Amino acid sequence: DAGVTQSPTHLIKTRGQQVTLRCSPISGHKSVSWYQQVLGQGPQFIFQYYEKEERGRGNFPDRFSARQFPNYSSELNVNALLLGDSALYLCASSLLGGGTSEQFFGPGTRLTVL
Amino acid sequence: AQSVTQPDIHITVSEGASLELRCNYSYGATPYLFWYVQSPGQGLQLLLKYFSGDTLVQGIKGFEAEFKRSQSSFNLRKPSVHWSDAAEYFCAVGATDTGGFKTIFGAGTRLFVKA
Repeated sequence: DAGVTQSPTHLIKTRGQQVTLRCSPISGHKSVSWYQQVLGQGPQFIFQYYEKEERGRGNFPDRFSARQFPNYSSELNVNALLLGDSALYLCASSLLGGGTSEQFFGPGTRLTVL
Repeated sequence: AQSVTQPDIHITVSEGASLELRCNYSYGATPYLFWYVQSPGQGLQLLLKYFSGDTLVQGIKGFEAEFKRSQSSFNLRKPSVHWSDAAEYFCAVGATDTGGFKTIFGAGTRLFVKA
């Protein structure tokens, strides 16, 4: 079975642009979470979605938004990109929402903002 | 606010020696606790988790961790380190607040293994 997949693998944008990152969860998983990992730091929680509804939100500005589709895949959108948004963006899927289901992480999308 | 502290930025141990990675958390209720490992090209992988019950939990790859409520700690241990254990290790806490559920990661500890 395929694991969590993310696209694209790498992305280069300039300040002020908008970006959309995509995530496909493991088959049967209904929850997707998004994390930002800046070089040298631990992942920071952005959002959790379960059954297409937002179930958790981290301390990120409104420039960050996400949604989950009926097939449980998800998109993360970031508007008005800043240099500080350069990071590895990780998606994790789990069977259920909350914290009791094990999260399986994808390989990430490396975003560089110039 | 919830937080996770990993006091050691990096640790070097000899192959075959024992290992202990420290983790302290701040959370008002009983937390969900996790240890993850991140290797280049491997992504984040769950080593073990604690939700309730026995405070000593066993994980994959020979790792174990002990939850100590009085010390707000969840330290990771391994009796004999292998060269393949060299990686970045993250402690995390699962918590619920007004924003819903979130997983909070520590800054990580980089493990170096010398022959």
